[in-house]
Amino acid sequence: EVQLLESGGGLEQPGGSLRLSCVVSGFTFTSYDMSWVRQAPGKGLEWVSAISASGGGTYFAASVKGRFTISRDNSKNTLYLQMNSLRAEDTAIYYCAKQSAGNHYYIDYWGQGTLVTVSS
Amino acid sequence: DIQMTQSPSTLSESVGDRVTITCRASQSISSWLAWYQQKPGKVPKLLIYKASSLESGVPSRFSGSGSGTEFTLTISSLQPDDFATYYCQQYNSYPLTFGGGTKVEIK
Repeated sequence: EVQLLESGGGLEQPGGSLRLSCVVSGFTFTSYDMSWVRQAPGKGLEWVSAISASGGGTYFAASVKGRFTISRDNSKNTLYLQMNSLRAEDTAIYYCAKQSAGNHYYIDYWGQGTLVTVSS
Repeated sequence: DIQMTQSPSTLSESVGDRVTITCRASQSISSWLAWYQQKPGKVPKLLIYKASSLESGVPSRFSGSGSGTEFTLTISSLQPDDFATYYCQQYNSYPLTFGGGTKVEIK
């Protein structure tokens, strides 16, 4: 059974930093690209970032480029999202997501999410 | 970036109705489109990928069609469990982008 378990969310002040983690199981982590997707309270889904299976390729939404970094530790089956210079508009549930196999990748599994609140 | 536009934003329908949701891409995405269902307080669930391929375990009343820039999600006979918000997402290229969502409400 595929499982993705996020942690690291919480309350942070504007300008602060948080690091989200996602521990996965039930599939071969090293074979799949992974993404982070967020959802602000009462709003729609927004893709944030993705990383290739090897970790050699990273991709970001314009709204977070230069502030967020994505990484993975394939030896620990863990995905990370380092969030710096946080803003109020970064307040959201952050979902860790597994991408499908192939050369175009939809999201086939989602974690339960971790809530990030940016407020003074 | 590829913009995804869903319509309508809200639908009020009755059990048994046929429902159609439209998603338009700002440029061609071939068939690289997925549809997700999300219920309040729950995680999104994959329904359709590659525009028309039904994810395993998803009821056959759900279907998808389209290619290029115009896509539709159809529910042939709306069931009580189908009242939810539906999102399209293009995965032709990064950045991945979602439509704004369509909320299907009970009439």
